[in-house]
Amino acid sequence: AQSVSQHNHHVILSEAASLELGCNYSYGGTVNLFWYVQYPGQHLQLLLKYFSGDPLVKGIKGFEAEFIKSKFSFNLRKPSVQWSDTAEYFCAVNLGTNTGKLIFGQGTTLQVKP
Amino acid sequence: GAGVSQSPSNKVTEKGKDVELRCDPISGHTALYWYRQSLGQGLEFLIYFQGNSAPDKSGLPSDRFSAERTGGSVSTLTIQRTQQEDSAVYLCASSLYNLPNEKLFFGSGTQLSVL
Repeated sequence: AQSVSQHNHHVILSEAASLELGCNYSYGGTVNLFWYVQYPGQHLQLLLKYFSGDPLVKGIKGFEAEFIKSKFSFNLRKPSVQWSDTAEYFCAVNLGTNTGKLIFGQGTTLQVKP
Repeated sequence: GAGVSQSPSNKVTEKGKDVELRCDPISGHTALYWYRQSLGQGLEFLIYFQGNSAPDKSGLPSDRFSAERTGGSVSTLTIQRTQQEDSAVYLCASSLYNLPNEKLFFGSGTQLSVL
């Protein structure tokens, strides 16, 4: 079945540490890839997305993600996290449909210690 | 409105009762999506609307779940004869069109608790 997997469920880091959150999907066709973030007490919001072109995409707040087609992956990275990055992060994939329907991963809770 | 609005924000009900959850999308957004987030789980797709039509209802868990959208705007998700496993946060999102690279705008969700 088509699915999206996030391998890290709960990550704890100290400020200034580097971050990488894994995301893999199982689908052999064309995909559009997203990372959404939910800060405490706020709505889910878009962090970044990949549609076509350069597989390295940059988003808000210094986040970036790299689409590696051969690995079916779209990992999220940030060189130096801040306490304000504490949030839940969701990878989402549009699996080759012509609609906006997204399949989400299980989410990763990131806790950054000051 | 300024954002996607969902009501109620919290709903506690008894097993076997019916509940209605409302979503008011951003004005002018043609596509509307319902997701469910259970404890420790990701967002589970339920249904989406393009205008008043629902081309994809594949995520509705059972025939106890139904949804409608009227006037291309407000949507209502109805759960009949609620069960404890229906307890979750129900999220609504909207987008301007229904294109694969579009950003979804989410509401704050309805926390449903079935006792």
